[in-house]
This record gives sequence, C-alpha cells and structure tokens, in this order.
Amino acid sequence: AQTVTQSQPEMSVQEAETVTLSCTYDTSESNYYLFWYKQPPSRQMILVIRQEAYKQQNATENRFSVNFQKAAKSFSLKISDSQLGDTAMYFCAFMIQYNNNDMRFGAGTRLTVKP
Amino acid sequence: DGGITQSPKYLFRKEGQNVTLSCEQNLNHDAMYWYRQDPGQGLRLIYYSQIVNDFQKGDIAEGYSVSREKKESFPLTVTSAQKNPTAFYLCASSIGRVGNTGELFFGEGSRLTVL
Repeated sequence: AQTVTQSQPEMSVQEAETVTLSCTYDTSESNYYLFWYKQPPSRQMILVIRQEAYKQQNATENRFSVNFQKAAKSFSLKISDSQLGDTAMYFCAFMIQYNNNDMRFGAGTRLTVKP
Repeated sequence: DGGITQSPKYLFRKEGQNVTLSCEQNLNHDAMYWYRQDPGQGLRLIYYSQIVNDFQKGDIAEGYSVSREKKESFPLTVTSAQKNPTAFYLCASSIGRVGNTGELFFGEGSRLTVL
C-alpha cells in the first residue's frame, strides 16, 4: 500500500522569505505522480504543482518548486518570496499513473506566513 | 464559471438522523469523489464514481451511501450507521482515465456536526 508522510504539522515563515515543506512516500510502483495541493482558510483546495515520476527534472510553477528525489522517495515543496496569501494547509499527494481513484494524501502541513 | 458546488456549507444533525450532502459539477468531468477530512489525518476516500450509474467504495465507506444518476451530480448520504460523522467533507472531480493528468478539482467543502 502507498503511504504519504508529512512530518511537519505546522510551519511559519516571514513574508518574502523561503520555506521548504517536506514529504516522503512509500511505494513499490515505478510510474506515478506526485502533487502538492493548497487549502487556504475557508477556500477551495487547489493544485499547486505536479511531478511525474519518470521526469528527472524538478517541476516549477512561478514561486513554487519541488525537490524530487526518487531514490529517497522524497518530494519537498519550496516556496520562494513567501506572500501572505500563501498561508494555508498544504497536502502532499501520491497517485499511481492512470489510477486517480486511489490518490493518497499526507496529513498536511499548516503554513503561516507572517508579515 | 466552471467548478464544483457543494451544499450546504455547514450542517448540524442529531444523532440517528440521515443527512445528504450535495455535490454538483459543471466541468463535464467523468469521475467524481467524496473525501473525508479530519484534523491530522489528511483526506480519506469514501466513495468514487468513474461513470454515471457506477460507483465504488473507498477506504472508509461504512456508514455512507452515494448515487450517480447524472454526470453532474454525486450526492453523499451520511447514515445513522456512521459512528463518528462529525467531519469536513470534500467533493472532487477529475477528467477520468482518458487524458488523465491526475489533477483533482475540489468543492469548498461541507462541515457536518453531529449534536
């Protein structure tokens, strides 16, 4: 069974600084996707960034980037130039390719950006 | 605007009562899902449906029921058999297997409290 672990229940960062959220996962599969989802307070959960396991290059979306270490089964999220609007719960998720009825989520990290 | 609409946003129920949570999407997605979110546990899959008139149990289906009579609609009933129903419930949708990128689109959620 696939498991996703987020070891940091809460984190905080000063506005404009950089923060890294950790995620590890366990699987015996070779083809899979990894995701970071953001859930702002009282708002919809949205996809932040996505990584295909077969791609060696780390995904980047504007201020958000990942450090994907396949051998170590690690998938951390780096947020650069943190903004107040980045305050949210962040969930790491794993899905075997073409099997999105089995998306596995971590417990989440609550990030607070301080002014 | 395309999206997923969940209602009601807040719901209170007395013990022993069934309650139905609504989920409607206008994204023309084939697949729909219901997740339960509890503090410190991430999201857990209750039920999913890949196509109209078909649905499958997820990891925690006991005490819940669903229907999928229309592509746009996937209501969840929390029955009196659910021992601990107080939680935040999230509905999601995705394209489905064809052209699947794995991305889930979420509603804003429904918070159910049992009194």
